[in-house]
Amino acid sequence: QKEVEQNSGPLSVPEGAIASLNCTYSDRVSQSFFWYRQYSGKSPELIMSIYSNGDKEDGRFTAQLNKASQYVSLLIRDSQPSDSATYLCAVGQGGKLIFGQGTELSVKP
Amino acid sequence: DTGVSQDPRHKITKRGQNVTFRCDPISEHNRLYWYRQTLGQGPEFLTYFQNEAQLEKSRLLSDRFSAERPKGSFSTLEIQRTEQGDSAMYLCASSLVWGQGKNSPLHFGNGTRLTVT
Repeated sequence: QKEVEQNSGPLSVPEGAIASLNCTYSDRVSQSFFWYRQYSGKSPELIMSIYSNGDKEDGRFTAQLNKASQYVSLLIRDSQPSDSATYLCAVGQGGKLIFGQGTELSVKP
Repeated sequence: DTGVSQDPRHKITKRGQNVTFRCDPISEHNRLYWYRQTLGQGPEFLTYFQNEAQLEKSRLLSDRFSAERPKGSFSTLEIQRTEQGDSAMYLCASSLVWGQGKNSPLHFGNGTRLTVT
């Protein structure tokens, strides 16, 4: 079992729709969770961090955390073609972050 | 805040050669990380420093890889006797230290793309 698992995709949604990205993790003691966006050929950039169970909203993005189920998700509302990228889930493990393999999102005009 | 800076951006080398990469973190950040990323995969943890101390190194990391952060500021990553399998994007990131078991976000540099021929 991988430490952080994501569906690799690609996930394709029409412009204006909600994109839902999911991530599960194996380390029950993890307390820090992050979503990064990575455009092709670029480095990861932070979208959201979440530390407590529940929802956290920032503009069109909502992160959801369920520690009991060891599950983190990211919702992107009103998806735009510029949201087309790979989305990386990262989980804190000790002093470092462990990343999933990423989910490729394609938003079709 | 000038961000995390990495040099060079690209490096092409022949198999068997040694290469060294440099990373300058965000100045007020005391943690510095090295990750490696290949196509279609997420970043893979290599090692990290808190100030000048190397606190963790991946068990999967070959002894051909070594990293230093001599004065707690910039860091170098050296790969000796490069192999074609070392071809990847090498990412540096920095962060602050938080307490209570929580991690602060990592801020990534633009990466160094290594091609071993």
